[in-house]
Amino acid sequence: KAGVTQTPRYLIKTRGQQVTLSCSPISGHRSVSWYQQTPGQGLQFLFEYFSETQRNKGNFPGRFSGRQFSNSRSEMNVSTLELGDSALYLCASSPGIANTYEQYFGPGTRLTVT
Amino acid sequence: QQQVKQSPQSLIVQKGGISIINCAYENTAFDYFPWYQQFPGKGPALLIAIRPDVSEKKEGRFTISFNKSAKQFSLHIMDSQPGDSATYFCAASRRGGSYIPTFGRGTSLIVHP
Repeated sequence: KAGVTQTPRYLIKTRGQQVTLSCSPISGHRSVSWYQQTPGQGLQFLFEYFSETQRNKGNFPGRFSGRQFSNSRSEMNVSTLELGDSALYLCASSPGIANTYEQYFGPGTRLTVT
Repeated sequence: QQQVKQSPQSLIVQKGGISIINCAYENTAFDYFPWYQQFPGKGPALLIAIRPDVSEKKEGRFTISFNKSAKQFSLHIMDSQPGDSATYFCAASRRGGSYIPTFGRGTSLIVHP
């Protein structure tokens, strides 16, 4: 099976712009979770989608949003980018809800905000 | 609030040595404790996981030790190899329900040949 894929792999944006990141889960996986990884804060949970519904949400401002499509692919959107949003954004998929099954991570999208 | 504290932040070990990474958690509701290994340019990959009904789990050169009363768990890498050089993350969550996985801040391991 192909692993979790994320596009794009690298992105440079300017403060104030918005960005959309994409994640394709492993075939058959219905849960997609998003994480932000930074050197200072480590891995922080953003949200989880299961069967097109947001199941859980971390402690991030409303500028961070996401959605999941019927084929389980997911997108994450960040509006009004700030310098502090520079990070590696990781997507993880699992066959069922993330707390019951192991998660498989993608390679991430490296976002740089200038 | 950091619910999982991981130490050390970095670790240098000679080839063949034992690497030990420690984690402590606060929420006693956690019942699933995975360790992830992350190489540069890659996402974290599940290495080994333990549930609190056992005190130790071994898979090859990797062993998790779990101390429920102390709310601590650790990863031991026996006979460390240069290929083990990576960042290791511990995590804690509760199976089912609405708990979200909480990760430690990571340990950068370098194994010298």
